[in-house]
Amino acid sequence: QVQLEQSGAEVKKPGASVKVSCKASGYTFIGYYLHWVRQAPGQGLEWMGWINPNTGGTNYAQRFQGRVTVTKATSISTAYMELSGLTSDDTAVYFCARGHPRDDSFDVWGQGTIVTVSS
Amino acid sequence: DIVMTQSPDSLAVSLGERATINCKSSQSVLYSSNNKNYLAWYQQKVGQPPKLLIYWASSRESGVPDRFSGSASGTDFTLTISSLQAEDVAVYYCQQYYSTPYSFGQGTKLEIK
Repeated sequence: QVQLEQSGAEVKKPGASVKVSCKASGYTFIGYYLHWVRQAPGQGLEWMGWINPNTGGTNYAQRFQGRVTVTKATSISTAYMELSGLTSDDTAVYFCARGHPRDDSFDVWGQGTIVTVSS
Repeated sequence: DIVMTQSPDSLAVSLGERATINCKSSQSVLYSSNNKNYLAWYQQKVGQPPKLLIYWASSRESGVPDRFSGSASGTDFTLTISSLQAEDVAVYYCQQYYSTPYSFGQGTKLEIK
């Protein structure tokens, strides 16, 4: 079945970087954009950016520009989201989500990766 | 950037009754080329990722029960659950995907009265 499997929980110190992976299965990886969305504890959803797995092209939310990098490894159907300069405000669950080619609504989601930033 | 505002923030409805959640976008999310509103509704249960319910403001995603429906009027959007079931307890989010940065409403927490 169609699935996005994310890497495990991370604990990082302030100023460090974190890299979260998202492995796709059950569909053609290069056929669908992959988005990254985060959710701080008890808060709502925040879109961070997308990658076009076919071309490698990316689009990031302005507030993350310079701190976020989304990449892909097509041979293993995996996308990565790296966030640098971590602060306690980056403590959140990070989700990857597939954009449907029909309209780019998010029809499949990963299970989420908890990232905790603490000294 | 497009701002999405939901109302109410929380809602308690009796089983079998109708639940209505509203969402307003700060500008149009209507693509003139296909006359579609790029507005989605998601359901998020505790400890789970969001689930797509409605896309293009009123199209139901495959497998979603028909008690869920969406409608649009200009920049105002509504998600309606016609007959609330216990399993519908969740937080509901609207999202515009008309232009980046894609943005979500703040969420509406739906509970059983």
